[in-house]
Formats: sequence, C-alpha cells, structure tokens
Amino acid sequence: DTAVSQTPKYLVTQMGNDKSIKCEQNLGHDTMYWYKQDSKKFLKIMFSYNNKELIINETVPNRFSPKSPDKAHLNLHINSLELGDSAVYFCASSLLAGRSYNEQFFGPGTRLTVL
Amino acid sequence: AQKITQTQPGMFVQEKEAVTLDCTYDTSDPSYGLFWYKQPSSGEMIFLIYQGSYDQQNATEGRYSLNFQKARKSANLVISASQLGDSAMYFCAMTLSRTGGGNKLTFGTGTQLKVEL
Repeated sequence: DTAVSQTPKYLVTQMGNDKSIKCEQNLGHDTMYWYKQDSKKFLKIMFSYNNKELIINETVPNRFSPKSPDKAHLNLHINSLELGDSAVYFCASSLLAGRSYNEQFFGPGTRLTVL
Repeated sequence: AQKITQTQPGMFVQEKEAVTLDCTYDTSDPSYGLFWYKQPSSGEMIFLIYQGSYDQQNATEGRYSLNFQKARKSANLVISASQLGDSAMYFCAMTLSRTGGGNKLTFGTGTQLKVEL
C-alpha cells in the first residue's frame, strides 16, 4: 500500500562512517529525487534520476553518491560522514512525462544523526 | 534562477476560520508550476495543491485554494474552515520547465501554522 518508502527511518552513526539510505516507489513513476531538510527545516534538492539516468546533480559533496538500479529504486550512499550531514533526507518520485508539471510524492524521510 | 519567499514564519488561526499563507516567487521563465506541501509534526511531506503558470483558473482542492496572481508573482494558499489537524508547517515550492530542469522543486522557508480552539 505504501507509495514511497525509505529505510531506515532513523540512522545514528559516528563521524567518518559510511552509510546508505534506500528508497522504493510503487507508483509507476519514472523520476526519483533526493532532498535534504536541514535543522531549520529548509528543503533542498540533491539529486534526481529519470529512468535510471542522473538528470540533476546539485552542488553536493562527492561523498554523496546516488544509485538507481531501476526506475522504482533510488539509493543514497554517504561516505566519510561529517557532523554537518545530520539532517532529514527525503526521497520523492514523480512522472516527468504527461502533464506539464507533476506533483512529487515524498517518502517518510530518514533522520540521520552524525555523532 | 528561481526563488520562493514565504514571509510569515508563524501564523495563528482560530478553528473554523479561514487563513491565507503568503508565497511570492521570482523567475524569468514564463513556464513554471507552483505547489504547496504540508509537513505535520510527524515529519512527512504531503502534497496539497498545484497551479501551472498558464492555468487560467485558480486551483482548488477541497478546503485548499490557491490565490494565483501572476502579475504580482504571488501564489497564496487559502485554507477555509481551519481544523486542529491543519496545524503544521506549510511549504510553497516551484518547478521550472522540464527541459533541462528535471522538474526539481525549489522550496520556500515555510510557514508554521497553529490552529487554536
């Protein structure tokens, strides 16, 4: 029944570790996104994939590497975690084709805390 | 580059009253989409309403309506008959033409709405 799911919901880890967040959507969408919400609740796009192809890559440290094995999945791997990476990471999906502008559906978010 | 401005960090409204949350945007692109999302304290992002730049009529979805004034570059959200469950953070967002843009959303800083008895 879940539309966009993310695992894990909470992630607490030490500085310097490597961690991954997984995202899956069952809406049949062709485009998936990663957004970061900081401690002030500001949301910013990080990456977007359309049909497994990277189409948006904002100014994000190369410690962050997204991977899309298929249209329904988009994972985010983070190397050498830093304190400033602590945030809520949202996965989202939408259709890129069809109507001019399609709403994005968000996952529940993953709260990452780096100690 | 596009920009979204929400000038009301916090708003209070009495239950059953209507409330308007302000949003202004800045873009030189003639083609864009405007969205409102709700984020309750539980943290999820819920899509509320959408308005395309070429849409002739203001969008409505149940108790939500979007007051779109293109010349003023404003896209205010109106919530009618407020309910306690409307207490949440509300984000205005914009996306530009899909070509080369990939449909990314640019968000405002949000407005925290509290509905009181």
